Amino acid sequence: QVQLQQWGAGLLKPSETLSLTCAVYGGSFSGYYWSWIRQPPGKGLEWIGEINHSGSTNYNPSLKSRVTISVDTSKNQFSLKLSSVTAADTAVYYCARGLGGGSRSVGYYYYMDVWGKGTTVTVSS
Amino acid sequence: SSELTQDPAVSVALGQTVRITCQGDSLRSYYASWYQQKPGQAPVLVIYGKNNRPSGIPDRFSGSSSGNTASLTITGAQAEDEADYYCNSRDSSGNHSNWVFGGGTKLTVL
Repeated sequence: QVQLQQWGAGLLKPSETLSLTCAVYGGSFSGYYWSWIRQPPGKGLEWIGEINHSGSTNYNPSLKSRVTISVDTSKNQFSLKLSSVTAADTAVYYCARGLGGGSRSVGYYYYMDVWGKGTTVTVSS
Repeated sequence: SSELTQDPAVSVALGQTVRITCQGDSLRSYYASWYQQKPGQAPVLVIYGKNNRPSGIPDRFSGSSSGNTASLTITGAQAEDEADYYCNSRDSSGNHSNWVFGGGTKLTVL
């Protein structure tokens, strides 16, 4: 049973850098997309970005200038850094495992099947 | 980049059938996946692919797709199904491949 355990600082001041790490237990690290997603209080889910085992990344264009996602395959961990935070970055941050498959004949599918429990990050002066 | 649109709120009488929809251009290329989120908890995958349920998800949950619209159907809704539901898909409309979420639908079971 794959589990994701995440941790990081929960209280930041404006302009600081958010830093979170997610560890993968009980499963392979390769062959998946490892994502960060956030959810502001009372709002919906927002995808932040992803990394694969080889370090290839994709970021949400709206956050790209401030986001860095990195991977440490020796520890089966991946990390999120979000710079210059403001109150608008206050949210619960989740890590998740994504995968996909399919073909032209049956259709293509992608989904996130395992999620971390979430880390509440508050930005306040 | 593409967007996914969901109705903000839907209600259903206990034991009845409800359909939650999700619209977006990316759904012409990729199946949607669906997630259930209860207050204070992480999202849980309930449907993926054409109509697949992860282990442990009741068979009253089903999925379908047509054109740019994906649907999640709960047949015989139970009180424990009251939750927020999000759709999600891959989006390759821009220069890179990204993930996109719908805004979520709050399901109330009456």
